Amino acid sequence: EDQVTQSPEALRLQEGESSSLNCSYTVSGLRGLFWYRQDPGKGPEFLFTLYSAGEEKEKERLKATLTKKESFLHITAPKPEDSATYLCAVQQNTGNQFYFGTGTSLTVIP
Amino acid sequence: DAMVIQNPRYQVTQFGKPVTLSCSQTLNHNVMYWYQQKSSQAPKLLFHYYDKDFNNEADTPDNFQSRRPNTSFCFLDIRSPGLGDAAMYLCATRDRDRVYNEQFFGPGTRLTVL
Repeated sequence: EDQVTQSPEALRLQEGESSSLNCSYTVSGLRGLFWYRQDPGKGPEFLFTLYSAGEEKEKERLKATLTKKESFLHITAPKPEDSATYLCAVQQNTGNQFYFGTGTSLTVIP
Repeated sequence: DAMVIQNPRYQVTQFGKPVTLSCSQTLNHNVMYWYQQKSSQAPKLLFHYYDKDFNNEADTPDNFQSRRPNTSFCFLDIRSPGLGDAAMYLCATRDRDRVYNEQFFGPGTRLTVL
């Protein structure tokens, strides 16, 4: 069965303390892996798309990487405003469906 | 700005009383999705439309139905809401014909069932 698993479930960091979030997936035929940020009570906001193993994308303090079985979201020198839930989703080669993980809730303490 | 709009943002209904949630988009995207998200859980896909082609996930309860009268609008109907249907309902759109085809989400409708 296709699955998307994110770890850790929750992460507390001091401001400036870099870390990584993990998204592991088992799908037959990956078309793309997507990272989203979700603030409490709001819809997910798109961050990155990764399509092939070895691909990397960067945006401000965030960097996303992809291997054949997992993706990492690296957060460098986080700030309190980076506090949110980070979701990953995968899309298979066939169909329009996206399958989400349960997310990592990140709290950055000043 | 082009966007995905959901109304209402907050909906309170009574147990068993039908409710309709709406979603509109100005992106002219050909795919529209409805997700259910409960606290600390992953968004769960309920339905999606590719143009007018309707696709129902196998485990979506019969209590949930959807309509897409035109490209811009999509509705989620819950015929007889139960307490377990209280959740955030997210609408998303996507342009299937683009190479890079992420989903764009609306702000969600928080449904409370009394």
